[in-house]
Amino acid sequence: QKEVEQNSGPLSVPEGAIASLNCTYSDRGSQSFFWYRQYSGKSPELIMFIYSNGDKEDGRFTAQLNKASQYVSLLIRDSQPSDSATYLCAVIPYNFNKFYFGSGTKLNVKP
Amino acid sequence: SQTIHQWPATLVQPVGSPLSLECTVEGTSNPNLYWYRQAAGRGLQLLFYSVGIGQISSEVPQNLSASRPQDRQFILSSKKLLLSDSGFYLCAWSEGAGELFFGEGSRLTVL
Repeated sequence: QKEVEQNSGPLSVPEGAIASLNCTYSDRGSQSFFWYRQYSGKSPELIMFIYSNGDKEDGRFTAQLNKASQYVSLLIRDSQPSDSATYLCAVIPYNFNKFYFGSGTKLNVKP
Repeated sequence: SQTIHQWPATLVQPVGSPLSLECTVEGTSNPNLYWYRQAAGRGLQLLFYSVGIGQISSEVPQNLSASRPQDRQFILSSKKLLLSDSGFYLCAWSEGAGELFFGEGSRLTVL
């Protein structure tokens, strides 16, 4: 069973729309949750992290965590063509020191 | 501020040849260090992680090894490369369960 699962996409949204990216995880004891953006050929860069149930907003980005249902999502408001990238969900499970990544969701924002 | 350096950026190696990738972190002490591999179009696979000098945990049994000879230095090695070792290798660091920061990556092609 995969630790972290994401829909591979591609997810296509028009410019200015809201993009919704989802991630589920298997370890109920997971403590920390992260969203990374990866442009083609580049290393991942951190967008947001969330530790507690609920929503966390940072500019156009909102991370949502539901530990009971074991999912975490990322909303991107007012999507821009520059947001086109692969978005990776990462989870730290109970044993604390490891970051496990999903396979990523490719987002295409069409002008 | 903290920085992470990884080299070489690209390399092309014949099957059966050795490998050495190096990573150093600056601006922090006793970081957790990680090696990930990303095959083309795939997610990040955790290969090794280290919580201190000489302490290496392996996630995937294969022909790769890792060493941490100094606090902020992490080395990935192989004695004999396989075709399946091709990929994008990423070194990363974190402070405990905090955010994970990546180096620029090393793209390995085994022919």
